[in-house]
Amino acid sequence: DIQMTQSPSSLSASVGDRVTITCRASQSISTYLNWYHQKPGKAPKLLIYAASSLQSGVPLRFSGSGSGTDFTLTISSLQPEDFATYYCQQSSSSPYTFGQGTKLEIK
Amino acid sequence: EVQLVESGGGLLQPGGSLRLSCAASGFAFNTYAMTWVRQAPGKGLEWVSTINRDDSTYYSDSVKGRFTISRDNSENTLFLQMNSLRAVDTAVYYCAREMTGQYWYFDLWGRGTLVTVSS
Repeated sequence: DIQMTQSPSSLSASVGDRVTITCRASQSISTYLNWYHQKPGKAPKLLIYAASSLQSGVPLRFSGSGSGTDFTLTISSLQPEDFATYYCQQSSSSPYTFGQGTKLEIK
Repeated sequence: EVQLVESGGGLLQPGGSLRLSCAASGFAFNTYAMTWVRQAPGKGLEWVSTINRDDSTYYSDSVKGRFTISRDNSENTLFLQMNSLRAVDTAVYYCAREMTGQYWYFDLWGRGTLVTVSS
């Protein structure tokens, strides 16, 4: 199975900050990488697919980049509604594994 | 409204069985692959099973042989039959719509249903 490792595991930031979360795959996955976020008690929500494609309706402050084994999710200017847990997921091969999550908290 | 609504969760003892349902509405259910993802309390997301449009099925090693995914396109409903349940199966179970093509991702999720396995 492909292992997905996110860093950091948790992050404190302030409204207006620029934030970057990293995801590393244990083997090359080309650009088969998706990002989700999840608020407490809620279902995950798709943000980015194919490493850099913004899902319809997702604000432009979210962006993704990377290919092969190293990927990043960037939030250009944090808004209050962005404080959540973020997950990367590979869809290169089954089983579609997720990263362990990055909890983004208010500083 | 485009949505997925899970049901069927509950509390049961180890070794028991349970059938989860996921009712889809607002989109052409029969044209999508569908997936179950679970999340143990305080933990991350774990892919469980997928059923494609052609009814081909896939399972994680942790549930293979115990869980069965199926769908009823006439009722726009996804199912997960769970047998020989263990404490480690305790989780919120989400159904998700899977976009397929050049890339694969889960673009629509239900709110989840909680399954608790405990003696």
